[in-house]
Amino acid sequence: AQRVTQPEKLLSVFKGAPVELKCNYSYSGSPELFWYVQYSRQRLQLLLRHISRESIKGFTADLNKGETSFHLKKPFAQEEDSAMYYCARGKVGGGTSYGKLTFGQGTILTVHP
Amino acid sequence: EAGVTQSPTHLIKTRGQQATLRCSPISGHTSVYWYQQALGLGLQFLLWYDEGEERNRGNFPPRFSGRQFPNYSSELNVNALELEDSALYLCASSPTGTLQETQYFGPGTRLLVL
Repeated sequence: AQRVTQPEKLLSVFKGAPVELKCNYSYSGSPELFWYVQYSRQRLQLLLRHISRESIKGFTADLNKGETSFHLKKPFAQEEDSAMYYCARGKVGGGTSYGKLTFGQGTILTVHP
Repeated sequence: EAGVTQSPTHLIKTRGQQATLRCSPISGHTSVYWYQQALGLGLQFLLWYDEGEERNRGNFPPRFSGRQFPNYSSELNVNALELEDSALYLCASSPTGTLQETQYFGPGTRLLVL
């Protein structure tokens, strides 16, 4: 079964400090990996996906197949980054994992002023 | 562009009743996904509909069912409600049913079973 692990439920940093939210996934074929974010009183929205290799709001995430990780990083955290972050994976192709996203438990990031 | 909409926003039922939750995808999207976000359990995949057909199903009992209408909107039905069905139910849509397409989420329906 596909698994996504976010080891930290809570993460606190000060404004301007680097931040890294960890995500590990179970290896199975070719994964599609995503980071979703949910700001207070807003809906869940896509932050970035590994195939795009883009930086959104200063966040980047690199897929490390050897370590089966997809950690989310930002060099200088801002107060507006405070939110719940979910790592998710999907699987391209057939089988029972097709089409669905498997989410980690989420990490609540708090950026203090 | 209007996002994914869900109704009702809140729903209170008692054990044994049935609940019907509704979702309207983004215009042009043919795939609809349902997820359950229960306290302490995170987001769990429930169902995926594409072009009116159920394409995949999560590890939930058969009393969780749904359908997709010709206009691509969708209903999630939960029969014989149990206390543990209390959760936020999220609907998402995508242009197609492949993961090359981003899933866009609605605001959710909060179901409370008493």
